[in-house]
Amino acid sequence: AQTVTQSQPEMSVQEAETVTLSCTYDTSENNYYLFWYKQPPSRQMILVIRQEAYKQQNATENRFSVNFQKAAKSFSLKISDSQLGDTAMYFCAFMKLNTDKLIFGTGTRLQVFP
Amino acid sequence: DTGVSQDPRHKITKRGQNVTFRCDPISEHNRLYWYRQTLGQGPEFLTYFQNEAQLEKSRLLSDRFSAERPKGSFSTLEIQRTEQGDSAMYLCASSSRQGGYEQYFGPGTRLTVT
Repeated sequence: AQTVTQSQPEMSVQEAETVTLSCTYDTSENNYYLFWYKQPPSRQMILVIRQEAYKQQNATENRFSVNFQKAAKSFSLKISDSQLGDTAMYFCAFMKLNTDKLIFGTGTRLQVFP
Repeated sequence: DTGVSQDPRHKITKRGQNVTFRCDPISEHNRLYWYRQTLGQGPEFLTYFQNEAQLEKSRLLSDRFSAERPKGSFSTLEIQRTEQGDSAMYLCASSSRQGGYEQYFGPGTRLTVT
């Protein structure tokens, strides 16, 4: 069975600074997808960034980028130029190929301070 | 398009009562998912539909839980004989494609069983 581990329950960062959220996962699969989802306070979850395991190039979306280390089964999220609106719970998630089931970690609560 | 909607947003019920939640996906999405999120945890997969067919059910979905999507549009999740352990946020999501594409989440229904 696949598992996703987020070892940082809470993180904080000052506005305009850079922060990195950690995620590791366990799987015997070779092809899969990895995601970071953001859940702002009292608002619905939205996709931040997505990575296909067969792609060596790390995904980037504006201020968000990932460091995907397949051999180490590590998938960290880097947020550059942090903004107050980045304050949220961040969930790392795994999806096996040809399934639709997301397996989530326990989340990291990120607080961005002015 | 208003996104995924869920009704009700909050439900308080007494142990032993039955409850039903509704999810309306994004209109062109043929895939619909249910997840459960307890405090301090990431969402856990419950079940999903492609059109009206229920394709996978988690072992978390005991006999007291049933989900339907009768016409391939909205879906209902019913919990019979509720228990205090059923207290959680029930999230619905939808997507238009398989293969690791974005799942769009609704705001959730928070269930409290007293």
